[in-house]
Parts: sequence; C-alpha cells; structure tokens
Amino acid sequence: AQTVTQSQPEMSVQEAETVTLSCTYDTSENNYYLFWYKQPPSRQMILVIRQEAYKQQNATENRFSVNFQKAAKSFSLKISDSQLGDTAMYFCAFLHPPGGTSYGKLTFGQGTILTVHP
Amino acid sequence: KAGVTQTPRYLIKTRGQQVTLSCSPISGHRSVSWYQQTPGQGLQFLFEYFSETQRNKGNFPGRFSGRQFSNSRSEMNVSTLELGDSALYLCASSQRDREYEQYFGPGTRLTVT
Repeated sequence: AQTVTQSQPEMSVQEAETVTLSCTYDTSENNYYLFWYKQPPSRQMILVIRQEAYKQQNATENRFSVNFQKAAKSFSLKISDSQLGDTAMYFCAFLHPPGGTSYGKLTFGQGTILTVHP
Repeated sequence: KAGVTQTPRYLIKTRGQQVTLSCSPISGHRSVSWYQQTPGQGLQFLFEYFSETQRNKGNFPGRFSGRQFSNSRSEMNVSTLELGDSALYLCASSQRDREYEQYFGPGTRLTVT
C-alpha cells in the first residue's frame, strides 16, 4: 500500500523568509501524481501545487515550488517570501495512477502545521 | 461556477443514531470522493463514486455507506454512530479522467456525544 510521510509536525518561519516542508512516499508505481494541499483554519482544502511523476521538471506556482526526487521518493515544498496568509496545515498527497483499482483515491500525509510570524 | 457544497456544515448526534451527509459537486463533475479527517488518524479515504457506481472503497466498517444520484450529488450515511466517528467529513469532486484535479468542499463537522 502506498504511504505518505511528513516528518515535520510543526514548522515556523518569519514573514518574507523561505521555508521548506518535507514529504516522502512509498510506491511501486511509475506513473502517479503528487500534491501539496493547504488547509487554513477555515478547514477548506486548497490545492497549492501538483506534480506529475513522469515530468522531470519541478512544478512551480508563484511563490511555491517543489523539489521532486523520483528515485528517492521525495517531494518537498518550498515557500518563498512567506506571508501571514500562508499560515495553515499543509498536506502532502499521493494520487493512485489510472488503470488501477485505487485510481482517484488520494493518500495523505499526516500534515505539517506552518506558522508564519510577523 | 459554484464550488463543491456540503450540507449540513455542522451536526451533533448521539451515539447509536444514524446520520446522512450531502455533497453537491461542481457542475459537470461526475466523480465524488469522501474523506474523513480526525486529529488521530488524519485524512482517510472513505469511498469514491462515479456515475452512480462506487469505484473505490477505503478501510472503513460497513456502518459507513454512500450513494450517488443521477445528478452526481452524493450522500454518505453512517449508522449506529460511535464517539470515534466525530470528525470533519470532506468531499471532493472531479471530472471524468481528470481525477488529478479534485476540488474539495468546506466539509461537515460531525460531533457524536
């Protein structure tokens, strides 16, 4: 079974600085998707960034970028120029690939609480 | 386009009762997935429906069930509620063959006393 591990229960960063959240996963699949979701205190899950495993180029979305290391099964999120609004729980998630019986199922890590201090 | 809506947003039930939660997907989305979020277990997949058929099911007891209607709206039902069922229940919708773009609703907070 696929597993996703986030080893940092909590992180903090000063406003305008850079922070990196870690995620590792375990799978025997070759084609899959990885995500970072943000869950602010409102509890609304918001997609931050998506990476397709067959793409070697790391995904970027404005201040958010990932370091995807497929062989190491590592998928970290870097937040640059941190803002107070980035304070939230961040989840790393794995999407089972198409064609399998679990396609469409997201497996989440335990989450990392990020606090941005002014 | 309206987002995913879930009703009710908050619910308090007593042990032994049953509860039904509703999820209306984004217009045009035919896939609906349900997740349970608790402080202890985190986010866990419950089940996924597509075109009124359950495609995937997570490791939950038979007390948890669901269904999807022809308009893609989905309901999940929990019978014989236990204290441990207290959780935030999230649903997500996606288009056919675009399961990599799942949009989440605001969730239903269920408290079992």
